[in-house]
Amino acid sequence: DIQMTQSPSSLAASVGDRVTITCRASQTISTFLNWYQQKPGKAPKVLIYSTSTLQGGVPSRFSGSGSGTNFTLTISSLQPEDFATYYCQQGYSTPPYTFGQGTKLEIK
Amino acid sequence: EVQLLESGGGLVQPGGSLRLSCAASGFTFSNFAMSWVRQAPGKGLECVSTIGGSNSMTSYADTVKGRFTISRDNSKNVLYLQINSLRADDTAVYYCAKGWGEVDPYYFDYWGQGTLVTVSS
Repeated sequence: DIQMTQSPSSLAASVGDRVTITCRASQTISTFLNWYQQKPGKAPKVLIYSTSTLQGGVPSRFSGSGSGTNFTLTISSLQPEDFATYYCQQGYSTPPYTFGQGTKLEIK
Repeated sequence: EVQLLESGGGLVQPGGSLRLSCAASGFTFSNFAMSWVRQAPGKGLECVSTIGGSNSMTSYADTVKGRFTISRDNSKNVLYLQINSLRADDTAVYYCAKGWGEVDPYYFDYWGQGTLVTVSS
């Protein structure tokens, strides 16, 4: 199975900060990497698919990059509504797919 | 508008069974792979099972293999998850998720609101 490891596990930041979350795969997954945002008590919502393509309606302050085994999610200027938990997910292997353990983004 | 509505969760004793359902609307159900993703209290996301759009392919996480069975009724636009031999560590919110692809999901573009399964004596 492909293991996905996110770092950091938690992060405190302020409104307006630039934030980067990293996701590493245990083997190459090409660009089959997706990012989700989850707020407490709610279902996850896809932000970015195929490493860098923004899902419709997602603000342009979110961006993704990477390939192979190393990927990043960047929020260019944090907004109050961005404080949430973020998960990466690989879509490369035979399903069921695996997620990272999550990164909780909190207000500093 | 795509909608996914799960039902069937509840409190069940260890060793018991449940059948979860997910009623889908707003898209051509048979054209998309579907998955069940669970989240234990305070924990991360785990994709436990996936089924292709035409029922041809199913897959399971090792943690549930042999105990969970995924199925779908494309005539009724409903996804199912039969859960047997329930254990305490199966306690979680179970989400129904729509895949982007027909055979493999690749990513999940729509999610239901989730149904809580609690396994306890």
